[in-house]
Formats: sequence, structure tokens, C-alpha cells
Amino acid sequence: GQQLNQSPQSMFIQEGEDVSMNCTSSSIFNTWLWYKQDPGEGPVLLIALYKAGELTSNGRLTAQFGITRKDSFLNISASIPSDVGIYFCPAPYNQGGKLIFGQGTELSVKP
Amino acid sequence: NAGVMQNPRHLVRRRGQEARLRCSPMKGHSHVYWYRQLPEEGLKFMVYLQKENIIDESGMPKERFSAEFPKEGPSILRIQQVVRGDSAAYFCASSPLSGHTDTQYFGPGTRLTVL
Repeated sequence: GQQLNQSPQSMFIQEGEDVSMNCTSSSIFNTWLWYKQDPGEGPVLLIALYKAGELTSNGRLTAQFGITRKDSFLNISASIPSDVGIYFCPAPYNQGGKLIFGQGTELSVKP
Repeated sequence: NAGVMQNPRHLVRRRGQEARLRCSPMKGHSHVYWYRQLPEEGLKFMVYLQKENIIDESGMPKERFSAEFPKEGPSILRIQQVVRGDSAAYFCASSPLSGHTDTQYFGPGTRLTVL
């Protein structure tokens, strides 16, 4: 079946540092989504990518959809304590269908 | 513009009881998805519904679990005769009928604890 691999699994950084995490798959996707999940809450959509090569920003967050459509990365610049959480990068199995999730990247930010 | 709503947020059941989880999609959304999340894991797809239709139930356990999305009212995920292994967070997501139909917005989840 289709799988998504996220790396790193966890990160411990100092406040103010930049962060980079990525998502890879052996399958090709037409859409890639980045979510953040806080403890006890549902995933919140950060950035949606719809075209290969697309680079999209949302405040301090920047995400890119790989040109091969098999990977994506998320950068967070000048991290702050509220960036703490688990970041997921699911992709739809089919148009309008279920999302395939990886195991997430857990980010910890030290003030 | 209200987001996806789920209730209850927390549900405690004893083994053998039934659990009913409700989800109201975002306004204008007609696709509903249910996912389950165990501790320290990503979300796992369960079922995808449109109004009065089950589109994909490939992630649903074969027994005790059912889902519906009636013409009127919220989508319901029903778990009969719950067991301890059903304890998890259950998330509902919705997506629009047109445009970016594969962009899903999640609710806050229902945390089910089976005693």
C-alpha cells in the first residue's frame, strides 16, 4: 500500500532557530497538505500544495511540493514556543479520497 | 464561519456498551471522513461518506463499526459492544463539493475511553 515517510521523527531546537522537515513517498501525489496537531486537538491545516514545484508561504512557514510529486518539505523560520506540536504531511490517496498519514514530526522548542 | 464540529469531545464507555460519535461538517461541505488515532501514531482512515452514501469504507473494521451521513443532521460513527482496544481519538474531517475537493479540514476529535 501507499506509505508516507516523515523525517525527522522528532526535533529539539532553540527558540529563534529555523526548522526543516520533509515527507517522502514512493507514490506520486497530486496534492500535498501540511497540518499541525497540538496535544488534545485535531490537525489544523497550515499549507496546501496543488502543483509540482509549487512553493507556498504562510507567515513564517514555507512549504514546497517536489517536482517529482513524491516529496514535500516544510520550513519554519525563527521558531517560537507555540510552534511546538506534531506536524503531519498527508496526501490524498485519490482525488477527493482518504488521506494517507505518516507518523509525524514532533517539534520541541526550548525558550 | 464555523469549522468542523464534533461531539462529545470526551466519551467514556464500559465494555459492551455502544458509542455514538457525531460530526457536523463545515458549511458548504458535503464530504465527510472519519479517522482514528492511537497514542503516538498518525491518523488512520476509516470511512468516507457523502450525503446518504458510503463512498469508501476500506478502513472500517468488519464488525461492530458503522457510519452514516443522513440527508439531514450530522454524520454518526457508531461503535457497538465497545472493547478496550477501541479507546482512541476519533477525528472527523470535511471537504468541499467543488474546487479543492481533496483539502480536508478536521474537527477537534472525540476521545473515547473504554473502561
